[in-house]
Amino acid sequence: KAGVTQTPRYLIKTRGQQVTLSCSPISGHRSVSWYQQTPGQGLQFLFEYFSETQRNKGNFPGRFSGRQFSNSRSEMNVSTLELGDSALYLCASSLGDRRANEQFFGPGTRLTVL
Amino acid sequence: AQKVTQAQTEISVVEKEDVTLDCVYETRDTTYYLFWYKQPPSGELVFLIRRNSFDEQNEISGRYSWNFQKSTSSFNFTITASQVVDSAVYFCALKRGLGGGNNRKLIWGLGTSLAVNP
Repeated sequence: KAGVTQTPRYLIKTRGQQVTLSCSPISGHRSVSWYQQTPGQGLQFLFEYFSETQRNKGNFPGRFSGRQFSNSRSEMNVSTLELGDSALYLCASSLGDRRANEQFFGPGTRLTVL
Repeated sequence: AQKVTQAQTEISVVEKEDVTLDCVYETRDTTYYLFWYKQPPSGELVFLIRRNSFDEQNEISGRYSWNFQKSTSSFNFTITASQVVDSAVYFCALKRGLGGGNNRKLIWGLGTSLAVNP
């Protein structure tokens, strides 16, 4: 079974630009969560999508948005990039139907904002 | 409030040493889940174990073992006879057992960076 895939793996952008990251979950998984990881803040939860609906949301500004498609693939968009948005963005998928479901992570997209 | 504390920021050991990574959690829930993940230098988080609050039985998987103690709100992780390949950042996480919305999200510790030196 293929794992979680994320594209692109690396991205360099400049301040003010916008970026879209993509995540394909494990086949059969309906939940996709996004995290931002930085050395100082650790893993910060962005949002979770389940069956095309946002089910959970973290404490990030509205510049961070996401969506999920009918095939469970998810995209995350960050508009008006700031230097502080430089981070590793991780996507995790799970079955999502039970609270105990563990999450399986992709390799991440490393975003650098110059 | 829910919280996970991994007091050890960095640990350095020599190969073949045993090492224990501490995880202390806070929750008022009676039903909850605890997780350990490993993040090697490649960056991908790897699921290691899930434990529910009603199962205090310790678990062993090869060189890995977990000690869950509700009395001290701890879920510690021990690597026996450590190897260089164990070098990674290890995260402990908590998920609430009930409620919808944001109650479903994982609450993460800040991680413990383990360096196993040859």
